[in-house]
Amino acid sequence: GAGVSQTPSNKVTEKGKYVELRCDPISGHTALYWYRQSLGQGPEFLIYFQGTGAADDSGLPNDRFFAVRPEGSVSTLKIQRTERGDSAVYLCASSLTPGGAGSDGYTFGSGTRLTVV
Amino acid sequence: ILNVEQSPQSLHVQEGDSTNFTCSFPSSNFYALHWYRWETAKSPEALFVMTLNGDEKKKGRISATLNTKEGYSYLYIKGSQPEDSATYLCAFFDPNTGNQFYFGTGTSLTVIP
Repeated sequence: GAGVSQTPSNKVTEKGKYVELRCDPISGHTALYWYRQSLGQGPEFLIYFQGTGAADDSGLPNDRFFAVRPEGSVSTLKIQRTERGDSAVYLCASSLTPGGAGSDGYTFGSGTRLTVV
Repeated sequence: ILNVEQSPQSLHVQEGDSTNFTCSFPSSNFYALHWYRWETAKSPEALFVMTLNGDEKKKGRISATLNTKEGYSYLYIKGSQPEDSATYLCAFFDPNTGNQFYFGTGTSLTVIP
């Protein structure tokens, strides 16, 4: 597609429920990232995929968070037993250059705003 | 965790004013710094990718400079327009600390017509 697509754009869920957030990156971008922005903070790294594999998942806060990218394109971020502290904007980005430090930078989606009530 | 700081946190300027804000980052092991503009309800948009000390990049009325030795980058907007209202984020990349960018908390700019 023309850009990075994230769905849903907004999600309200009850504490304890399971949610899935989807990211469809730019075609041909092998690198995919998930970031989370909480209120008043800058985006914080969660996980980086190079192709199908998670090259760096050091930012996942705990084992309730998991992400997959089975075919090297679409990625799903999964959050189990959601807590109110998980409320944030979840951003997905892709890049042509592995690691994202090349001249193209990241291309971001518009994010999923998750609210846990 | 690397410390990337942006100042000011927010800024209100009149239409036509020029403005600038700062991104500070660790001065050792510099690799790349990115600037992004993030308008409400939209995707963050890449403005500049800066890699060399002394870099100065320009896009229309917006320009950025880079000083890797002292660990700062400035973003300048000349003749601010209401459509410049957004949050401006800088992001620092150090490959020695993993495959991630460290973002500042952003500068929220409001241009008053």
